[in-house]
Amino acid sequence: GAGVSQSPSNKVTEKGKDVELRCDPISGHTALYWYRQRLGQGLEFLIYFQGNSAPDKSGLPSDRFSAERTGESVSTLTIQRTQQEDSAVYLCASSLGRDRFSYEQYFGPGTRLTVT
Amino acid sequence: RKEVEQDPGPFNVPEGATVAFNCTYSNSASQSFFWYRQDCRKEPKLLMSVYSSGNEDGRFTAQLNRASQYISLLIRDSKLSDSATYLCAVNGRKSSGDKLTFGTGTRLAVRP
Repeated sequence: GAGVSQSPSNKVTEKGKDVELRCDPISGHTALYWYRQRLGQGLEFLIYFQGNSAPDKSGLPSDRFSAERTGESVSTLTIQRTQQEDSAVYLCASSLGRDRFSYEQYFGPGTRLTVT
Repeated sequence: RKEVEQDPGPFNVPEGATVAFNCTYSNSASQSFFWYRQDCRKEPKLLMSVYSSGNEDGRFTAQLNRASQYISLLIRDSKLSDSATYLCAVNGRKSSGDKLTFGTGTRLAVRP
């Protein structure tokens, strides 16, 4: 079946502009996660959605970052007033989630964001 | 202490060698453990889940040691194509729900 998809695959933006990144999880997966990975670094957790529960936003680095998810479908990550340090690959993952007792996460190909 | 720790490597091994990585975790209540593989400039891909009894998939064996709070990944008969970064992931605190905490990865380079 279809995996996690993300768009755009690459985004170049000017400092100060807003960007919106999209993630389509695997159908039926109740949990969705956003991570950031800077070049040569590990995965940095940003935000986590589980079904209709309030999202866990504990990883968002500043109030310029926000994310939404409608039900168990698409999610968008928005970065306002982008800064050069926001340049990274933004990865989305989904899992069946606690409702199905499965925590294996499957990743999308990522969006490579470059802020000039 | 970090929640999940890995030796960053790199581990440079010849083809055919056996190599093992460990990953330590700090939360004794952790229940789910995984190994992921990440190729350069690609997303992490699930390699295997780690079960209490240990599990094997071809040349790969994963084990869990709850007493010492670490998981291991053993790769036998290394291939050039095994060169990648290997990430461990652990289901963390009870309050974190489904969240996994990832290690920063161990780099493996297999040479001819």
